[in-house]
Amino acid sequence: GAGVSQSPSNKVTEKGKDVELRCDPISGHTALYWYRQRLGQGLEFLIYFQGNSAPDKSGLPSDRFSAERTGESVSTLTIQRTQQEDSAVYLCASANTGRGRFYEQYFGPGTRLTVT
Amino acid sequence: LAKTTQPISMDSYEGQEVNITCSHNNIATNDYITWYQQFPSQGPRFIIQGYKTKVTNEVASLFIPADRKSSTLSLPRVSLSDTAVYYCLVGDNLRDDKIIFGKGTRLHILP
Repeated sequence: GAGVSQSPSNKVTEKGKDVELRCDPISGHTALYWYRQRLGQGLEFLIYFQGNSAPDKSGLPSDRFSAERTGESVSTLTIQRTQQEDSAVYLCASANTGRGRFYEQYFGPGTRLTVT
Repeated sequence: LAKTTQPISMDSYEGQEVNITCSHNNIATNDYITWYQQFPSQGPRFIIQGYKTKVTNEVASLFIPADRKSSTLSLPRVSLSDTAVYYCLVGDNLRDDKIIFGKGTRLHILP
């Protein structure tokens, strides 16, 4: 079946512009995660959705970052007034936590964001 | 969430068996051990998960001693394409909703 997809694959934007990143999880997966990965670094947790609600937003770096999920499916991560330090790969993952598999996540290919 | 410690980097040669050990001294009763693999420019990929003793699949084996305070990911007969970062995660597969990925082990396979 189809895996997790993300769009765009690459995004170059000017400092101060807003960007919207999209994630399409695997159909039927109730949990959806966003992570950020800077060059050569590990994954940084941003936010987690269970269904359409976000029980854990603690990883969002600032109030410029927001995310939503509709219909227990597509999620968008929005970064307002982008800064150069926002440059990173943004990864989305989904999991079928209805079967208790929080640690069995399936990742998308990521969106590489470059802020100039 | 149990803290994990794994080597920052390892080198090996094609055709060798590679073992990457992860320490997790404060693992809890309900915690599982999970390993991910991340190739350059790709998202991480779930490769194996276990609770105790030994688990084997088409990609790797996972060895977990009786005290569960460590685990070893074993990759048989590695090839250049196994060059990747390998992450060890420990936590409650039924409850943990915030998964923490550490820095992982950067495995470099040499010809």
